[in-house]
Amino acid sequence: GQNIDQPTEMTATEGAIVQINCTYQTSGFNGLFWYQQHAGEAPTFLSYNVLDGLEEKGRFSSFLSRSKGYSYLLLKELQMKDSASYLCAVRDSNYQLIWGAGTKLIIKP
Amino acid sequence: GAVVSQHPSWVICKSGTSVKIECRSLDFQATTMFWYRQFPKQSLMLMATSNEGSKATYEQGVEKDKFLINHASLTLSTLTVTSAHPEDSSFYICSVKVSDTEAFFGQGTRLTVV
Repeated sequence: GQNIDQPTEMTATEGAIVQINCTYQTSGFNGLFWYQQHAGEAPTFLSYNVLDGLEEKGRFSSFLSRSKGYSYLLLKELQMKDSASYLCAVRDSNYQLIWGAGTKLIIKP
Repeated sequence: GAVVSQHPSWVICKSGTSVKIECRSLDFQATTMFWYRQFPKQSLMLMATSNEGSKATYEQGVEKDKFLINHASLTLSTLTVTSAHPEDSSFYICSVKVSDTEAFFGQGTRLTVV
């Protein structure tokens, strides 16, 4: 079966750095997405990785290792507004998005 | 990015009635739109892929006669939950496929069936 694993919840301090991991087992791979979702709202796109390596976009970076079936989202200089759920999604060989359950990130002052 | 407007944001309806949710792409002609459902603390689950001018493609386990999808124009797709039951209470989200690497989401609709 297809599976996306990410931690259920993480806590970090304002101003710090946090890394949210995502491991996947899917039938084929056509890219990995990270989304941010605030409670009660729709997800917003953060990043897309299809090749191995690090993609940096401001305070957010996303890393991919296809051989390991692994990705992480790195958030720097955390702000209170970064408190949200972070969803990892993988597009499989049929171009279907397989979603993780999301990691709830709690930022403390 | 593309602006996607979903309406209504929340709706409460009586069991047995039908509810229509609209998803509009305001500045992009969307050939393909997606409808998702999300239960609390769970991941997004794709319900169906809506293609303009043709029948929607439903995911396994999703009843096409219960969740009617109409994509009559390049800017509008609708999802109608027919004969709603309390177990249909959920967060419904549409998204517009902009490219292979981008999809923009509507605001979501919180449906409560009482």
